[in-house]
Amino acid sequence: GESVGLHLPTLSVQEGDNSIINCAYSNSASDYFIWYKQESGKGPQFIIDIRSNMDKRQGQRVTVLLNKTVKHLSLQIAATQPGDSAVYFCAEKRNSGYALNFGKGTSLLVTP
Amino acid sequence: NAGVMQNPRHLVRRRGQEARLRCSPMKGHSHVYWYRQLPEEGLKFMVYLQKENIIDESGMPKERFSAEFPKEGPSILRIQQVVRGDSAAYFCASSPPITDTQYFGPGTRLTVL
Repeated sequence: GESVGLHLPTLSVQEGDNSIINCAYSNSASDYFIWYKQESGKGPQFIIDIRSNMDKRQGQRVTVLLNKTVKHLSLQIAATQPGDSAVYFCAEKRNSGYALNFGKGTSLLVTP
Repeated sequence: NAGVMQNPRHLVRRRGQEARLRCSPMKGHSHVYWYRQLPEEGLKFMVYLQKENIIDESGMPKERFSAEFPKEGPSILRIQQVVRGDSAAYFCASSPPITDTQYFGPGTRLTVL
């Protein structure tokens, strides 16, 4: 079936380094993409989103890149901090739908 | 500015009992979504509601599960005759009209004994 998936289940980076979390999606009808951060025992927290008519969007210390040709999405976190340690989910939505379709998540561990 | 509120945060039920999960959307948000998350998995969509209307319930199990969003008060996700497989974290999200961004609450962790 159609899915949103993440390439790596766990990513370990050193404090101060940049992090890149990747995500693949399979449905070419997806037109809205969003990244969430989820800390243990908490709900998903909105990080950044992007529409399919864009290929890059920047926020505070975060950048999302969208490559529609290969159906790939990435989240870049600059100068990763210990507080960035969490599970990161990408999700997509189709223009005709309401539901966000989530991937399984990547666990980001920031080491000192 | 309060975010999405959910209660209870933790709920323990025995098999066969009923579970009621409540969600109050953010101020100004009229759209509510419910998702379920199993351990070490992503969230799975269950239902999307607007005030007094179920818009999309394609992710809801056909039996035992129901949802409502009345004109007044919170949205309710109701699970009748719970089974152990219903144990999960249930998240509510809300959004204002004409936007795709969904903001999530802290979740209700349901444990069925």
